[in-house]
Amino acid sequence: EVQLVESGGGLVQPGRSMKLSCAASGFTFNNYDMAWVCQAPKKGLEWVATISYDGSSTYYRDSVKGRFTISRDNAKSTLYLQMDSLRSEDTATYYCARHLLLQWPALGYFDYWGQGVMVTVSS
Amino acid sequence: DIQMTQSPASLSASLGETVTIECRASEDIYSNLAWYQQKPGNSPQLLIYDANSLADGVPSRFSGSGSGTQYSLKINSLQSEDVASYFCQQYNNYPPTFGAGTKLELK
Repeated sequence: EVQLVESGGGLVQPGRSMKLSCAASGFTFNNYDMAWVCQAPKKGLEWVATISYDGSSTYYRDSVKGRFTISRDNAKSTLYLQMDSLRSEDTATYYCARHLLLQWPALGYFDYWGQGVMVTVSS
Repeated sequence: DIQMTQSPASLSASLGETVTIECRASEDIYSNLAWYQQKPGNSPQLLIYDANSLADGVPSRFSGSGSGTQYSLKINSLQSEDVASYFCQQYNNYPPTFGAGTKLELK
């Protein structure tokens, strides 16, 4: 059974940093591209970033470019999202998802999702 | 960015009824469309991909159709466990974008 378990969320002040993790199991992690998708409270879904199966390629939505870094450790079957210079508008639930790409950059759908982790940016 | 417009924003239906949710793209997305179901308090789950392909384990009462800029998700014989929000997502143009969602409730 595919499982994606996020951790690392919480309350953080504007301008500070936070790192999210996503532990994967039930599939061969290093065969799949992975992504982070967020959902602001009572709002819709928004793609954040995608990383290739081997970590060699990454892509970000414009609003997080230069502030967020997606990475992975295939030996540990773990996906990460380093979030720097956080803003109030980054407040959301962040989901780790397996991203089935048809083509780069980041064009594909998400076939498995984690339970999500809440990030609240507030002073 | 491609805008995905879903309608209706919410709807109320009875058990056993057939429900249709629409999704319109701001330009042709060549059937590169997925549908997700998000039950209250849960994460999204993939229902449909490539506009009309059923994801593994999804009941056959769910179906997708459409082409060009117009797509729809149909739920036959509505069950109580179908109460959820439904989102469409295009993956034809970068960046991938989602519709705002349709909240389905029981009448």
